[in-house]
Amino acid sequence: EVQILETGGGLVKPGGSLRLSCATSGFNFNDYFMNWVRQAPGKGLEWVAQIRNKNYNYATYYAESLEGRVTISRDDSKSSVYLQVSSLRAEDTAIYYCTRRAYYFDYWGQGVMVTVSS
Amino acid sequence: DVQMTQSPSYLAASPGESVSISCKASKSISNNLAWYQEKPGKANKLLIHSGSTLQSGTPSRFSGSGSGTDFTLTIRSLESEDFAVYYCQQYNEYPKYTFGAGTKLELK
Repeated sequence: EVQILETGGGLVKPGGSLRLSCATSGFNFNDYFMNWVRQAPGKGLEWVAQIRNKNYNYATYYAESLEGRVTISRDDSKSSVYLQVSSLRAEDTAIYYCTRRAYYFDYWGQGVMVTVSS
Repeated sequence: DVQMTQSPSYLAASPGESVSISCKASKSISNNLAWYQEKPGKANKLLIHSGSTLQSGTPSRFSGSGSGTDFTLTIRSLESEDFAVYYCQQYNEYPKYTFGAGTKLELK
């Protein structure tokens, strides 16, 4: 059974930074691209970042709205993916989801809440 | 970026009825469209990809149609478990994936 679990959320002051983790199991992690998608309160879904697998040299891609403030990484030995977000702003307040696969996302975690507030 | 416009934003229906949700892309995305279901306390579920291909496990009462810029998600004979929020997503311009704003399907 595919399982995806995000951790690392919480309350952060504006200007701060946060590292989210996504632990996975139940599939061959090395084979898949992984993504982060977020959803601000009362808003729709916004793709944040993608990291490809070793076959694609772990290439990374970011939403233009966040580029320069986010870094996605992965550790294939731990079947995990990470999202580092810096210079946090109130508008970064959202649930952050980890998702599997390129193109369409066939598995999602339940998400982790990040609140940016003083 | 490709903009995705979903309509309606809210839809009220009764069990047994059929409903349709529209998703329009700001430019042609071929059939590179997916539909997702969001329910409280559960992980989002991929229902349909490639415009009309049911993901494994998606009940046959769900169907997707369309190509180019106009797409439709249809749910026949609504069941109680279908009341949820539905999103469309384009992946034609990957990895600049974009989603529709969502349609909340409520019990009438």
